[in-house]
Amino acid sequence: DVKVTQSSRYLVKRTGEKVFLECVQDMDHENMFWYRQDPGLGLRLIYFSYDVKMKEKGDIPEGYSVSREKKERFSLILESASTNQTSMYLCASSFGGGSGNTIYFGEGSWLTVV
Amino acid sequence: GQSLEQPSEVTAVEGAIVQINCTYQTSGFYGLSWYQQHDGGAPTFLSYNGLDGLEETGRFSSFLSRSDSYGYLLLQELQMKDSASYFCASDNYGQNFVFGPGTRLSVLP
Repeated sequence: DVKVTQSSRYLVKRTGEKVFLECVQDMDHENMFWYRQDPGLGLRLIYFSYDVKMKEKGDIPEGYSVSREKKERFSLILESASTNQTSMYLCASSFGGGSGNTIYFGEGSWLTVV
Repeated sequence: GQSLEQPSEVTAVEGAIVQINCTYQTSGFYGLSWYQQHDGGAPTFLSYNGLDGLEETGRFSSFLSRSDSYGYLLLQELQMKDSASYFCASDNYGQNFVFGPGTRLSVLP
């Protein structure tokens, strides 16, 4: 089975702190994604990566950065956490290229910024 | 850019059939996927339409009409365990997936 593992299930951070959310996939997928999920807004794409060291902005990249130094690992970084970044963050991966590829999601990381 | 619209909520009874619609406005559209998410869980893949027409997978079917920029997910013989949120997602050649806001399905006994 494909496994996408997010390092932290629940986090509480203070405003202004630097936050790292880590994600690892074990299927040698080219593509990796970070989504944010809020009630009524669905899943919004923050960043995605289609190869090591490559990244593309999604719909809401402001306040976030990402790092992909190894194919299996994709990190989301909040340089200075703010209360409006309190949300559930979902990491996902898929094979690259072609259409109809299934996206596999991690279990999510619930971040609360106080 | 890409945007998708879905109804926010649908309610049906056990054993019934329900249809969840999705309309999209996209550039670079390749196909439409459907995902299911139970409360507290991760979204999981249900179905994909790369071509116009109906795709059937057990109790679930999905339909796509590119000329109408429209698709739907059809759930038959509803069960209580089908209560979940359902998301349509447009596929930009497998490199960028944009999700709709989700439809919360409640199945009543």
